[in-house]
Amino acid sequence: NAGVTQTPKFQVLKTGQSMTLQCAQDMNHNSMYWYRQDPGMGLRLIYYSASEGTTDKGEVPNGYNVSRLNKREFSLRLESAAPSQTSVYFCASSGQGEYLYEQYFGPGTRLTVT
Amino acid sequence: GEDVEQSLFLSVREGDSSVINCTYTDSSSTYLYWYKQEPGAGLQLLTYIFSNMDMKQDQRLTVLLNKKDKHLSLRIADTQTGDSAIYFCADRTGGGNKLTFGTGTQLKVEL
Repeated sequence: NAGVTQTPKFQVLKTGQSMTLQCAQDMNHNSMYWYRQDPGMGLRLIYYSASEGTTDKGEVPNGYNVSRLNKREFSLRLESAAPSQTSVYFCASSGQGEYLYEQYFGPGTRLTVT
Repeated sequence: GEDVEQSLFLSVREGDSSVINCTYTDSSSTYLYWYKQEPGAGLQLLTYIFSNMDMKQDQRLTVLLNKKDKHLSLRIADTQTGDSAIYFCADRTGGGNKLTFGTGTQLKVEL
């Protein structure tokens, strides 16, 4: 099992460009999440999807859109990138069982917007 | 909304114990988690504690929960250089799937 995978690992964008960050999980989890990590601010939730076909805003959704393509995949889109979106982006998923709400994280995408 | 706070840095000597502290504001917290992030990697779950417990021990890790003060701590015994990382506490409240993460504490272990 690969767990949670993210592509790309690194990306540099110019202001105003668009891009989509991809995330996939092979653990048959219902819930998926997108976070951004900035120094001194911890992880902030951008969007999440409690189950296939649903998405909800998190703490910092402005400037982002998401698509839950199927149970495995959850993508994050930046329509018009801004320097304030320079960050490390993490995708996570969570499922059922003893650790009902344990979240499993991908390795992250490091995005720089110039 | 829920707020989870941690100090930003902690430096210890190899072999000493480390204690990382966390405070939270929501009294309806159910599970509280400790995650570890090594450089350039995602977060990995270290341990968790259910809100009806005061203490949980797992090898070198001891988690203490004081519900009255809404205070959570992670003690790492015999800290090693491999323990150098950022440690996040996280809080699950209510019936939802979401976790609220603290700002993270960077632990530096010196020889």
